[in-house]
Amino acid sequence: KNEVEQSPQNLTAQEGEFITINCSYSVGISALHWLQQHPGGGIVSLFMLSSGKKKHGRLIATINIQEKHSSLHITASHPRDSAVYICAVSRTGNQFYFGTGTSLTVIP
Amino acid sequence: EAGVAQSPRYKIIEKRQSVAFWCNPISGHATLYWYQQILGQGPKLLIQFQNNGVVDDSQLPKDRFSAERLKGVDSTLKIQPAKLEDSAVYLCASRGQGREKLFFGSGTQLSVL
Repeated sequence: KNEVEQSPQNLTAQEGEFITINCSYSVGISALHWLQQHPGGGIVSLFMLSSGKKKHGRLIATINIQEKHSSLHITASHPRDSAVYICAVSRTGNQFYFGTGTSLTVIP
Repeated sequence: EAGVAQSPRYKIIEKRQSVAFWCNPISGHATLYWYQQILGQGPKLLIQFQNNGVVDDSQLPKDRFSAERLKGVDSTLKIQPAKLEDSAVYLCASRGQGREKLFFGSGTQLSVL
């Protein structure tokens, strides 16, 4: 079993829809990271959080430490949001564990 | 601030050939990681450096993969000889001392034919 599980694996949405991607983890963490990877591109860090909620533009990330669960929300989705979204957790000792990613396609 | 630089961007080789990837982390970042990402999967750690020392190379296939970071700055990852299953994106990442955030390079997409 992976330390980090994401759902759904694939997601297709119409432009303008509200999108939620979920992440569950099974290890103690120091922080949780949401990453974005475009086709053929590198990985960009969207959020790093250890409690509560963070917002950046149309993106919102929340974390529930007790339940070991995080969600990434995209409001008013746009085709340029199409990418793979990866949940990762970091632990003491510089260890990182990655989910397998959620492939999002937003159709105009 | 310059990001993590990686080269080449793409590489196509035949099986049993050798290949090398280069990474220049963000200036001052002591920790450097090499990850292998197979299509449809999350990144898998190959090796982690702290300055020029190896912290974790437990998942590095040492019979064919090697990596070095001689002066604690740039790093190279080599595969010799390559196998078909080595086809993947090789990602370099770095982070600053005491910092949680990871910065990734654009990756090298390797195809082994």
